[in-house]
Amino acid sequence: ETGVTQTPRHLVMGMTNKKSLKCEQHLGHNAMYWYKQSAKKPLELMFVYSLEERVENNSVPSRFSPECPNSSHLFLHLHTLQPEDSALYLCASSQAWQGNNYGYTFGSGTRLTVV
Amino acid sequence: AQTVTQSQPEMSVQEAETVTLSCTYDTSESNYYLFWYKQPPSRQMILVIRQEAYKQQNATENRFSVNFQKAAKSFSLKISDSQLGDTAMYFCAFDGDSNYQLIWGAGTKLIIKP
Repeated sequence: ETGVTQTPRHLVMGMTNKKSLKCEQHLGHNAMYWYKQSAKKPLELMFVYSLEERVENNSVPSRFSPECPNSSHLFLHLHTLQPEDSALYLCASSQAWQGNNYGYTFGSGTRLTVV
Repeated sequence: AQTVTQSQPEMSVQEAETVTLSCTYDTSESNYYLFWYKQPPSRQMILVIRQEAYKQQNATENRFSVNFQKAAKSFSLKISDSQLGDTAMYFCAFDGDSNYQLIWGAGTKLIIKP
């Protein structure tokens, strides 16, 4: 049990489909993140939510839509994706205190394949 | 701009040997945090070790230790008595301010051979 749970573990979807990725943490953290990890590329931060408010959106295409209904849950809604969106999508959480930083706790990721 | 560089794309050592992974970073800040994360084939990114820049003492966690050289902006990870389970991608990361964004290196693939 990692503390951050992501579902599904694998997802294959067509370009016209709509699907959602789910992330759940029960660590009491107040910040949650979506990252995209593609082969041979550094991790790309997509979205950050702090206290359920989106504080960071790194120029992500509108076909990715995040939702944070409460401090324990984070969703990534997907629609009309492109093949180049195929990647590992990682969720993370942290306790963002000013003056200290204990790093992130990650989930195991969702391997997304767009066909 | 803040950057993190891992110059070794891949390394391979025999089990029980000691291995050092390099990481350099660029920043004008004086107070920040540095991390090493491990990502085994199971895909889970796991925090290995953390260093606070204002602390001169190098962080250690069991077989893992760092050599933090603040003036040189270097943050290498040493793994002693390496084990097969240490086989993974290792990422160095920097956190310098309060904008929630970690700056990541490209990673080093470490293979421990039996």
